[in-house]
Amino acid sequence: DIVMTQSPLSLSVTPGEPASISCRSSQSLLCGNGYNCVDWYLQRPGQSPQFLIYLASYRASGVPDRFSGSGSGTDFTLKISRVEAEDVGVYYCMQARQTPITFGPGTKVDIK
Amino acid sequence: QITLKESGPTLVKPTQTLTLTCTLSGFSISTSGVGVAWFRQPPGKALEWLTLIYWNDDKRYTSSLRSRLTISKDTSKNQVVLTMTNMDPVDRGTYYCARLIIPFGVKDAFDIWGQGTMVTVSS
Repeated sequence: DIVMTQSPLSLSVTPGEPASISCRSSQSLLCGNGYNCVDWYLQRPGQSPQFLIYLASYRASGVPDRFSGSGSGTDFTLKISRVEAEDVGVYYCMQARQTPITFGPGTKVDIK
Repeated sequence: QITLKESGPTLVKPTQTLTLTCTLSGFSISTSGVGVAWFRQPPGKALEWLTLIYWNDDKRYTSSLRSRLTISKDTSKNQVVLTMTNMDPVDRGTYYCARLIIPFGVKDAFDIWGQGTMVTVSS
């Protein structure tokens, strides 16, 4: 199974400041046609997960452009350029390179 | 508007079989390029993928639970059903279904999630 790790596991951010979450995989997540098969999801408190980023760097429909994803191979990053109050929750990276599909442990983001 | 809604028992006894239904609205499970997946999340813990089914009835299962899981679809009702046998208290958690898409035809992603349903296993 591909193991996904995230750091930090917890992050406290001042509104308007940037935030960055790292995700690493135990194997390369390079898929066909040069894409990296890693997605990011946000689970706000008490809610179901929300689709944020797919194929490492593509924003899902309706996701604000303050969110961006980058990386390749085994190292990936989710960045929030200016954190807002509605961004609090747990962020998960997920690999779909192979089954079983696996998630990272999550990074909890809250507001200072 | 695309929605998915999970339904089923909130409480099952140990050794019993859990059956959950995911009812789809706004899209058809028969549409090429889509599918539905099931996930679960123990209280306070991370998400875990369980199984998925594609529009063409192709299926995938997580290996650790393969012997206990079955996924199926009812195209006439536009529903996807998950069964998990031999339930144990450690299976307690919120179970989610989600729509599967394949961006650029590359690999699976899950763009719309149901609200989830909490399942407790206790005698």
